[in-house]
Amino acid sequence: GAGVSQSPSNKVTEKGKDVELRCDPISGHTALYWYRQSLGQGLEFLIYFQGNSAPDKSGLPSDRFSAERTGGSVSTLTIQRTQQEDSAVYLCASSFGGLGNEQFFGPGTRLTVL
Amino acid sequence: AQTVTQSQPEMSVQEAETVTLSCTYDTSESDYYLFWYKQPPSRQMILVIRQEAYKQQNATENRFSVNFQKAAKSFSLKISDSQLGDAAMYFCAYRSVGNTPLVFGKGTRLSVIA
Repeated sequence: GAGVSQSPSNKVTEKGKDVELRCDPISGHTALYWYRQSLGQGLEFLIYFQGNSAPDKSGLPSDRFSAERTGGSVSTLTIQRTQQEDSAVYLCASSFGGLGNEQFFGPGTRLTVL
Repeated sequence: AQTVTQSQPEMSVQEAETVTLSCTYDTSESDYYLFWYKQPPSRQMILVIRQEAYKQQNATENRFSVNFQKAAKSFSLKISDSQLGDAAMYFCAYRSVGNTPLVFGKGTRLSVIA
């Protein structure tokens, strides 16, 4: 596709369950970012992948959060033992490597933890 | 660490009028990028305008322009001839040089009154 895609669009889960959120970046983009947007808040950085380098995990809020990027393309964000405070919109973005390149965002996954 | 502050949670403007959204930021870096993103109800983040800190000239994109005051660390967005389709959340964002994550403000919700 032409843009960044994310699935599912919406996810409702019960507290304590694990969830996986998927991001398909734009073809050829080497950088991939995950952000979280909680109600009434701006976007909060979670994790960043650049090519084959080790990911920058400095934004992950707890060890229940993890992410991987397979083959330098698709990325999966996993939240284990979900809590109600994990409810948010999770946005993925991708960009070309290099200085100042624009990040293109996907439509996000709205996660609701009951 | 860099921070971005948007002091106006909500703004409204009459159709065809001009509105200015405020943004201030804090950084010790001398070179960086600043962005305004628009997020309509669809959740899709759309880049409105960008400014490179080393450029003194204010960026413009059609009806959108910025007032970049580097010494004051201020980066306001002016929307001229406001249209109904401009109604959305607007986020100011900062990025260091390199392919680094964005730092966002908490956003300003803009309403356009017909």
